[in-house]
Amino acid sequence: QSVLTQPPSVSAAPGQKVTISCSGSSSNIGTNFVSWYQQLPGAAPKLLIYENNKRPSGIPDRFSGSKSGTSATLTITGLQTGDEADYYCETWDTRGVFGGGTKLTVL
Amino acid sequence: EVQLVQSGAEVKKPGESLKIACRGSGYDFRTYWIAWVRLLPGRGLEWMGIIYPGDSDTKLSPSFQGQVTMSADKSSSTAYLQWSSLKASDTATYYCAKVRYCSATCSYGMDVWGQGTTVTVSS
Repeated sequence: QSVLTQPPSVSAAPGQKVTISCSGSSSNIGTNFVSWYQQLPGAAPKLLIYENNKRPSGIPDRFSGSKSGTSATLTITGLQTGDEADYYCETWDTRGVFGGGTKLTVL
Repeated sequence: EVQLVQSGAEVKKPGESLKIACRGSGYDFRTYWIAWVRLLPGRGLEWMGIIYPGDSDTKLSPSFQGQVTMSADKSSSTAYLQWSSLKASDTATYYCAKVRYCSATCSYGMDVWGQGTTVTVSS
């Protein structure tokens, strides 16, 4: 059981917006940056967001991140069927830690 | 191109030893931390630990201390993850990843990932 809590699953229709939450505490999210990763079926994870809200080169601006207090949020707009994947938040708490992961279904 | 290439899939018996590899290219391997991440079947990602190839400084998650050993060879730009005595519960896919930056913490993201090494431990 992770110290970072994510909803196990979320779903939305193509073209819609979805948010994925990541809830932590003052010792992790509250004092450290948050990263987000996308893991497509059968593939390695890919960095989507780093330092709470920055996108690596090549990541579309449909993906955005935010942080407030001890929680972080990944927002995906203009959902596409290719966005169906597992999404993980990650931060630091004496050592690195991942959230439990959220499975996104695009209906 | 910056990339990490991992060694191939392994099938082992309980009690056997194993060392898997992660070779970096396209950047100065010595100066970026390498993380190891476990993906158990049907479960989520787990942060195992990180190693700095420049001096082999290692930070392990408490969950993995005493269970695995991390090492690195600067001369071949390769990081290693090893077990001295495998258990069935070690069956998983293991990823290495390049950590963007570390200061007092390493919460700056992992920007390059290996393709993963699947380890199967079964009698």
